[in-house]
This record gives sequence, structure tokens and C-alpha cells, in this order.
Amino acid sequence: DAGVIQSPRHEVTEMGQEVTLRCKPISGHNSLFWYRQTMMRGLELLIYFNNNVPIDDSGMPEDRFSAKMPNASFSTLKIQPSEPRDSAVYFCASSRGQRYGYTFGSGTRLTVV
Amino acid sequence: RKEVEQDPGPFNVPEGATVAFNCTYSNSASQSFFWYRQDCRKEPKLLMSVYSSGNEDGRFTAQLNRASQYISLLIRDSKLSDSATYLCVVITGSGGGADGLTFGKGTHLIIQP
Repeated sequence: DAGVIQSPRHEVTEMGQEVTLRCKPISGHNSLFWYRQTMMRGLELLIYFNNNVPIDDSGMPEDRFSAKMPNASFSTLKIQPSEPRDSAVYFCASSRGQRYGYTFGSGTRLTVV
Repeated sequence: RKEVEQDPGPFNVPEGATVAFNCTYSNSASQSFFWYRQDCRKEPKLLMSVYSSGNEDGRFTAQLNRASQYISLLIRDSKLSDSATYLCVVITGSGGGADGLTFGKGTHLIIQP
């Protein structure tokens, strides 16, 4: 099992540019989550999907953030336009049920300058 | 009171010692609990679930105290490789996905030679 695969691992971009983060969940996991982690705020849930359907996006900070899951094996998180305060590590995680816990990807370290 | 609270540490512990730390939660309806481990610049990884009766996995013991609303993690015979941040997870909802799932901000543990 390859685990949850995220790309890119690192992204440095200029303020105002569009950023797209990608995630491939573990096959057979029906839930997918996008988290953001910073020193100040810890892990924050941005949005999650069940069976490719967005269930709760209340954690998405602003309209500049959007997420899609066109099929069971792929999801994107897009930031447009990006701002320096978006700099953080963005994790994708997948799960086959709460009681089994979550498996996280290696994360994308985003720096907006 | 925050939903899930952890002492951020750091806990500096000599190799071979026993160390324990707690995680308190505010919602008495919380149902499921986990400990995750996160190494520096890595993703969180599931360490162990916390069962009502307590559970042990090698040098690690997790316990739940419902009356006082906290979970604990005890590490015996600590190793240098145990140095990491330990995150607790509390689940309140019984629904799927991330309903009622909250991560603590983590306790930083440093094992010293």
C-alpha cells in the first residue's frame, strides 16, 4: 500500500499566484480530509469528503480556498490568490472509518512570499 | 475551556525513564480517543487507540479517565527515538467523516541521552 500521496512536497510561490495541492487517498478509504498545520494554531480541518462529496467546508478560511474531489482517487485544494498568511503545511488524510483512525500524507509545505 | 487541551511541553526526559502526559477534553459525550505521534517535519501517524479499559502496546500504555475527562499516555523505558510530538484526538460524534473529531495541539517530548 503506497499510503496517502501528496504533491508537491514543497511549494514556494509569490503572493497573488494560484496554488494547487494534490492528494491521492488510500484505495478503499471513503473519507478524505484536508488539514492545515501551523505552530500557532496546530492542526486545523479545512474540509472533508465522504464518498467524493464535500460534507463540511466550514474550516475553509475564505473564498480564496476551494477543494474538489472528482473521483475516489484524487482531490485538489486550490488557493487563489495566495497570501503570505497561507504559508503552512497542508496535509491530506484518508480513512475507512473514524474508529480506524486517519492516515496522513507527507504534507505540502507551502511558502507564500 | 478548550475542547481538547494538552501541555505543549517540552518534556525533557533522560533515556530509560518513564514519562506520562495527559490530554483533557471538555465534552463528556466524547466517545473515541486516539494518540498520534508526529516527528519533526513529518506527518502525524496513529500510535494507538485508547479503550475504556485501557490498553498497552509494548512500552506504551494508554488510559481513559471518563470521570475526570482525560486520557493519558505512559511511555516506559524511554528511547531516544521516542522524541516526537504526541497529539491526542477526541471524537464526539458518531457520524462518519470528521464529525466531532478534534486534535490537540500536541505535547513535545525530548528524550535525552
